Amino acid sequence: QVRLVESGGGVVQPGRSLRLSCSASGFSFTTYGLHWVRQAPGKGLEWVAIISFDGSSDFYADSVKGRFTISRDNSKNTLFLQMNSLRTEDTAVYYCVKDEQMIAFDYWGQGTLVTVSS
Amino acid sequence: QSALTQPASVSGSPGQSITISCTASSSAVGGFQYVSWYQQHPGEAPKLLIYDVTKRPSGISNRFSSSKSDNTASLTISGLRPEDEADYYCCSYKSGPTWLFGGGTKLTVL
Repeated sequence: QVRLVESGGGVVQPGRSLRLSCSASGFSFTTYGLHWVRQAPGKGLEWVAIISFDGSSDFYADSVKGRFTISRDNSKNTLFLQMNSLRTEDTAVYYCVKDEQMIAFDYWGQGTLVTVSS
Repeated sequence: QSALTQPASVSGSPGQSITISCTASSSAVGGFQYVSWYQQHPGEAPKLLIYDVTKRPSGISNRFSSSKSDNTASLTISGLRPEDEADYYCCSYKSGPTWLFGGGTKLTVL
């Protein structure tokens, strides 16, 4: 079965950096695009970024463009999110999500909490 | 304010049917043909219920159905069960690409 396991969350000060990882199994990793979707405490879902199956293309929400970078290592079935210049409003649970033909998020990890606070 | 508007809450009794609407603003309506719906129980990750407006993934009950007309999509849950109590989110792909989520609807099963 599809399994997505995020790691790397924690407490970080504003302006600092953090790198999230997502280990994937149970599907052909090199065939699918992957997203990061986040959810601030008590709030709704917000799409963050997508990377293509081969890592050649990536796109970002305006709220993180220029600060976050999505990447993947297809040899290790792992997705990453490098988060720089973190702001308090980036505090959220970050989910690693498998893409289904660009029209749905069909499998979600359990999420990792990032707290940006001084 | 989200470009996709959902009611904050809906409620129904066991066995009844409820409908959750998702209305796209003028800025979001352009990509509104690819609508998906997600269910999220407290403390859990969201789960895909419906994609491409009306399609259900394998394992999703046919009690969940969806439709779309112009700039409004609707999720209908028939034969309400206590375990349906959760938050529900609509989502739409928009060229860019970008993906827009509704603000979420809390379903209470009375």
